[in-house]
Amino acid sequence: GAVVSQHPSRVICKSGTSVKIECRSLDFQATTMFWYRQFPKQSLMLMATSNEGSKATYEQGVEKDKFLINHASLTLSTLTVTSAHPEDSSFYICSAGGAGDTQYFGPGTRLTVL
Amino acid sequence: GENVEQHPSTLSVQEGDSAVIKCTYSDSASNYFPWYKQELGKGPQLIIDIRSNVGEKKDQRIAVTLNKTAKHFSLHITETQPEDSAVYFCAASWVGGGYNKLIFGAGTRLAVHP
Repeated sequence: GAVVSQHPSRVICKSGTSVKIECRSLDFQATTMFWYRQFPKQSLMLMATSNEGSKATYEQGVEKDKFLINHASLTLSTLTVTSAHPEDSSFYICSAGGAGDTQYFGPGTRLTVL
Repeated sequence: GENVEQHPSTLSVQEGDSAVIKCTYSDSASNYFPWYKQELGKGPQLIIDIRSNVGEKKDQRIAVTLNKTAKHFSLHITETQPEDSAVYFCAASWVGGGYNKLIFGAGTRLAVHP
């Protein structure tokens, strides 16, 4: 089946620093990738839709200057949390469109901002 | 826009019993309905999906039914096992010519007791 990886799996950083999370589709090409965040015991909240070679589309309420998304190739999308603060601590998950209509999710990245 | 409601929020069953999770959606244009299983600290894993041209789909102990008229779909797990314990999310999307965002339900925490 389609495999999506994320790196790192967990990261702890100081307030004010920036953190980059990578999302890779390992065995298929993904023209579209999605970025979600998930707070404890809650559902997944879509942050943005990333299309290869074009600007990401952000959901209402998501600051595009704070959450920078780059989709430079058909197998890699990155999310950079700039000037992170404790309220940005969350579980960030990406998904990639595989064959047909299916979205496959990565294992997630747990971000803790001190 | 699309809205997906999921019930129950928690479900506790004995090993070997069946479990049923129900979802309703609001947008009659939605035509793709996946179900994901999420274990603690991991990303969601696709377990089964159904498209609007099909009323039922089965994969071993898992089945999904779709009622387009009533705009609801259900996940059925038979002969439950402790390893089925997880959070299950339903989702709805309109798919045509590209990847569109998934709208998730709030999730159901399933506990299967030995």
